[in-house]
Amino acid sequence: GAVVSQHPSRVICKSGTSVKIECRSLDFQATTMFWYRQFPKQSLMLMATSNEGSKATYEQGVEKDKFLINHASLTLSTLTVTSAHPEDSSFYICSALPLAGPQETQYFGPGTRLLVL
Amino acid sequence: GIQVEQSPPDLILQEGANSTLRCNFSDSVNNLQWFHQNPWGQLINLFYIPSGTKQNGRLSATTVATERYSLLYISSSQTTDSGVYFCAVDGGDYKLSFGAGTTVTVRA
Repeated sequence: GAVVSQHPSRVICKSGTSVKIECRSLDFQATTMFWYRQFPKQSLMLMATSNEGSKATYEQGVEKDKFLINHASLTLSTLTVTSAHPEDSSFYICSALPLAGPQETQYFGPGTRLLVL
Repeated sequence: GIQVEQSPPDLILQEGANSTLRCNFSDSVNNLQWFHQNPWGQLINLFYIPSGTKQNGRLSATTVATERYSLLYISSSQTTDSGVYFCAVDGGDYKLSFGAGTTVTVRA
């Protein structure tokens, strides 16, 4: 149980285009999902917290107008990288906090590799 | 946020060897998790361990919350143990702060 999926797993796009990444909890509901970014050989950095039915909260230094987050249901959050540029190339990982049961462990998706040319 | 330091940054092991990874954190925590990131980037939950000791097969972990550190033990290492091990903590808001990771290479 507790599986989180991400789609797409890999995307290559041209500079200036927008890219949408989906994060789904497959066998549980999650009111809260998190989006992280990981640059090569570095650690994960929290970008934003996605709450179902409300606006996302962004960490300091993360542009909310560039990284649009929508948490439309208890099993789906989307991250849209608007007007992507080469410096946005990174590994984007989501996690989900189960709604039911002890909220101890976040479950992570497999990640999405974004390459902006 | 809470600062997390992991050591050593890199570890090279011969298959069958034992090792200890350390995670120090700067404040009291509500949650501490150890993860293994495989070569494809997938984060695998190893332990949820804000305090105490847990064991799962060849892996075990101990967190001494009063002294703000956690240890991950790998025994009888195998080549499949290779990858990056992360320690992550949160102070009560579920926002995880990750350490820089320990890159483990197990040689056959």
